[in-house]
Amino acid sequence: NAGVTQTPKFQVLKTGQSMTLQCAQDMNHEYMSWYRQDPGMGLRLIHYSVGAGITDQGEVPNGYNVSRSTTEDFPLRLLSAAPSQTSVYFCASSYARQGYGELFFGEGSRLTVL
Amino acid sequence: KQEVTQIPAALSVPEGENLVLNCSFTDSAIYNLQWFRQDPGKGLTSLLLIQSSQREQTSGRLNASLDKSSGRSTLYIAASQPGDSATYLCAAFQGAQKLVFGQGTRLTINP
Repeated sequence: NAGVTQTPKFQVLKTGQSMTLQCAQDMNHEYMSWYRQDPGMGLRLIHYSVGAGITDQGEVPNGYNVSRSTTEDFPLRLLSAAPSQTSVYFCASSYARQGYGELFFGEGSRLTVL
Repeated sequence: KQEVTQIPAALSVPEGENLVLNCSFTDSAIYNLQWFRQDPGKGLTSLLLIQSSQREQTSGRLNASLDKSSGRSTLYIAASQPGDSATYLCAAFQGAQKLVFGQGTRLTINP
């Protein structure tokens, strides 16, 4: 079972560049979300989606865009990367529409912005 | 605002011991609480999910309890093994955008 798959695993960007972190799940989960994990800050919610065509902001949405055109995919876009966005990014999904169920995480994408 | 605290931040015990990890939360209005483990450089692996109506959940050597009235959850690990060494995180869920994580307890099991 693939579960939640994130690509790329590692990425280095220069300030101002844009990129997309990909997330795909094969469990037919309605709920998907993106987190960032920083030392001393723990995991913080960036954006989430409760189904195709529906997205909403989390705790730290500034500088990030998302879309949900299919149930399987939930890409995270950085429009103009900044050093403050250097972090480890995790995608997660849940079978419950509002995320009430068990949350499954991907392996993470490690982003460095120079 | 929900705050989730895990104490201690780090714990080191000899192999074979039974141990308890603690998680406390300030707002008892939660839908569920989930325990995860995270190995260095890896993602989070779900261990146990406790619904708000439940008192405990068990999986193998792991047992998690939930006491909403006191704002506490514990993760009990029986007969610890070196392979249990990891960071353990708890997360309190209050809604689609209200999943609050603790900072984690870094556990080391010494052979």
